[in-house]
Amino acid sequence: GNSVTQMEGPVTLSEEAFLTINCTYTATGYPSLFWYVQYPGEGLQLLLKATKADDKGSNKGFEATYRKETTSFHLEKGSVQVSDSAVYFCALRRGNQGGKLIFGQGTELSVKP
Amino acid sequence: EAGVTQFPSHSVIEKGQTVTLRCDPISGHDNLYWYRRVMGKEIKFLLHFVKESKQDESGMPNNRFLAERTGGTYSTLKVQPAELEDSGVYFCASSQGGTPRGEQYFGPGTRLTVT
Repeated sequence: GNSVTQMEGPVTLSEEAFLTINCTYTATGYPSLFWYVQYPGEGLQLLLKATKADDKGSNKGFEATYRKETTSFHLEKGSVQVSDSAVYFCALRRGNQGGKLIFGQGTELSVKP
Repeated sequence: EAGVTQFPSHSVIEKGQTVTLRCDPISGHDNLYWYRRVMGKEIKFLLHFVKESKQDESGMPNNRFLAERTGGTYSTLKVQPAELEDSGVYFCASSQGGTPRGEQYFGPGTRLTVT
């Protein structure tokens, strides 16, 4: 079946450190891939997405590249800020399954000043 | 423009009781989704409405869960009777009509605790 696996958290970094959150997926065909972020007390927000192999999604300094050969969509940011502290969710959507999103378990990020 | 709202934000009930969660989507959004996150695990899909019709309810765990969307506006999710394993955060999301592939906008969630 379709699934998403993320690296376990929590991840604790110092401000300006480099961030990588690993995400791999299992799915047939060519799913669309997403990163959502949940800030404390808020709902999930779409951070970035990629809809085909080798696409790079980017937003707010975050980037992720759709790697079909390794079935991965790792999230990266060159220099994190305290305001990036949140829970990050990787997700996929199969084209023939309506709008249903399949999520990973989430990775909590804490950035210290 | 108001976002997706959910009520209540937190509910604590005893096993065997009934709870009803409400979701108000963004005005004009035909697609409405319910998801659930249990015990810090992955967020799991429950069901998808297109207007007032259930498009996909493959994620509903059992017949103790009943979702409705009368009139195609707000939706309710009733759990009756609640069990301990129903505890978790219930998210609602909506997206524009015409295609189910539009961006989904999420509400802040309802945290349900069953004791």
